Amino acid sequence: GIQVEQSPPDLILQEGANSTLRCNFSDSVNNLQWFHQNPWGQLINLFYIPSGTKQNGRLSATTVATERYSLLYISSSQTTDSGVYFCAVLREGFKTIFGAGTRLFVKA
Amino acid sequence: KAGVTQTPRYLIKTRGQQVTLSCSPISGHRSVSWYQQTPGQGLQFLFEYFSETQRNKGNFPGRFSGRQFSNSRSEMNVSTLELGDSALYLCASSPRQGGEQYFGPGTRLTVT
Repeated sequence: GIQVEQSPPDLILQEGANSTLRCNFSDSVNNLQWFHQNPWGQLINLFYIPSGTKQNGRLSATTVATERYSLLYISSSQTTDSGVYFCAVLREGFKTIFGAGTRLFVKA
Repeated sequence: KAGVTQTPRYLIKTRGQQVTLSCSPISGHRSVSWYQQTPGQGLQFLFEYFSETQRNKGNFPGRFSGRQFSNSRSEMNVSTLELGDSALYLCASSPRQGGEQYFGPGTRLTVT
């Protein structure tokens, strides 16, 4: 099956700092999503990005499907950005695979 | 549109019992997937239903089962509960198979 690796596993930032989270996957995929899991367990959709670049406010994401990786950029981080960030990939006909996540803590 | 809803939100059961969890997808969404999240194993896919048929299944024992109704609502059942079944169970809906998934708040199951 497809392997999904996220890095770094843990990240501590000072409020206002920028960061880049990475998601590598081992095979071609049809679908890639980024999620933020808040402290109550809710998974919040950030991006649906099988390829290309998207931006939403302080967040942006880029997926290079041919090189099998995706990046999530967080700029001017805020304490409310704390939580766990997951990428999830899907290859048509197969099950969705989640990475292990990046745990982010933003200090005030 | 209302989001994905899951009931109950919290549940405590005893080993050997069975449990049924419910998921109502976003209106118009026909695909429902279930996931188990534990600290040790992370987020793992259980199964996906589309048009009342199971389309895909993860690597879980037969004690885990599910179904989908004609209105796309879905239930999952776990029989003969074990301590290791304690987890957050998440449901996601999508307008189509393989499409963007939207998650519900989850059901936190504790098995004692």
